[in-house]
Amino acid sequence: GQNIDQPTEMTATEGAIVQINCTYQTSGFNGLFWYQQHAGEAPTFLSYNVLDGLEEKGRFSSFLSRSKGYSYLLLKELQMKDSASYLCAVFTGTASKLTFGTGTRLQVTL
Amino acid sequence: DAGITQSPRHKVTETGTPVTLRCHQTENHRYMYWYRQDPGHGLRLIHYSYGVKDTDKGEVSDGYSVSRSKTEDFLLTLESATSSQTSVYFCAISESPRPKAHEQYFGPGTRLTVT
Repeated sequence: GQNIDQPTEMTATEGAIVQINCTYQTSGFNGLFWYQQHAGEAPTFLSYNVLDGLEEKGRFSSFLSRSKGYSYLLLKELQMKDSASYLCAVFTGTASKLTFGTGTRLQVTL
Repeated sequence: DAGITQSPRHKVTETGTPVTLRCHQTENHRYMYWYRQDPGHGLRLIHYSYGVKDTDKGEVSDGYSVSRSKTEDFLLTLESATSSQTSVYFCAISESPRPKAHEQYFGPGTRLTVT
């Protein structure tokens, strides 16, 4: 089976840095995705990691450690529009199936 | 944005009635998926398709069936709706099963309420 854990809620201040963690226990691991989902909207792709290390894309970075079953999403220079849910998902390599965590709801405050 | 539409966007139906949700894509992607999203559960895969007439079950397929007669359309049917199927349903598409080439693009969602 698959098990993916991430915190339910986080709060951070505008302009700050926040790290959202994701731990997983899966079989057939073939990569990890992060998605952003604003309330009432569809998830949108943020990042993908298949090898250990850090992937940077603008204000967002994602890190993966396969040996530890651990990933994090780092958001820098937080903006109010970053208030959203962040979904960690593991790719099992079978017909492109993704297994999602329950998501972390991030609230950015002034 | 990937061309994915879902219809209807909102639906209220009564217990025991059949319901069909439609997902339509203009990207010619091979893979299509139906998820449901519920508080505390995240997104859960119902069924997926890896080609025309090729479908398989996901982790929460009981009570649902799917059909794909054309590349662009993937239908999800609730044969006899129950209150436990009240949820937001998302369709997704991807180009390939290969890592990195296949980010899944999601449709806008359908909010279904079964009374």
